[in-house]
Amino acid sequence: ETGVTQTPRHLVMGMTNKKSLKCEQHLGHNAMYWYKQSAKKPLELMFVYNFKEQTENNSVPSRFSPECPNSSHLFLHLHTLQPEDSALYLCASSQVAGGLTDTQYFGPGTRLTVL
Amino acid sequence: QKEVEQDPGPLSVPEGAIVSLNCTYSNSAFQYFMWYRQYSRKGPELLMYTYSSGNKEDGRFTAQVDKSSKYISLFIRDSQPSDSATYLCAMSAKTNAGKSTFGDGTTLTVKP
Repeated sequence: ETGVTQTPRHLVMGMTNKKSLKCEQHLGHNAMYWYKQSAKKPLELMFVYNFKEQTENNSVPSRFSPECPNSSHLFLHLHTLQPEDSALYLCASSQVAGGLTDTQYFGPGTRLTVL
Repeated sequence: QKEVEQDPGPLSVPEGAIVSLNCTYSNSAFQYFMWYRQYSRKGPELLMYTYSSGNKEDGRFTAQVDKSSKYISLFIRDSQPSDSATYLCAMSAKTNAGKSTFGDGTTLTVKP
């Protein structure tokens, strides 16, 4: 596996379900990100982890809970979501968050539908 | 006012045309500029990056930055149907702790 991988690629869940999204990067990077991409809206940064420490929480509701056990893996735990949370959730990684040349590499995304 | 404004599109051109995709920005601290291409149902992929005013060329793609006007462009020469995608500009500043600010994206269709 190379680059940034995400599983599952598609997820349908009810509002009372609990599920988790997984991201893994094989680039030796130290920073990982979660973004939300809704139709006709710009990418919304949700969380940033740098060297396993959360450095950014962009006012994300608590029904989204990130976890970064090491620099290569990132999870997004979901519970009691709302239909408006349906979107493409993208994971990205970069060498170090905070560097000027913070080029981010994206995974393919998880298409989430909340019923 | 958004920090980054991108021409909304959609844009439809015939194969072989020259395409110009544009973004303006308001934050003069932005120093690093990127263009991403996103195919339908895929994640964005980095196309080009630059951190200086002027032009940077890579094959059929040219990224242009004009810091005095706070304006960046991506030119695609001899456009191909495979270039059909959404193009996102992104930029970052040291003061942002490296967080990239993205434009809304411009959807391009190149017709054979």
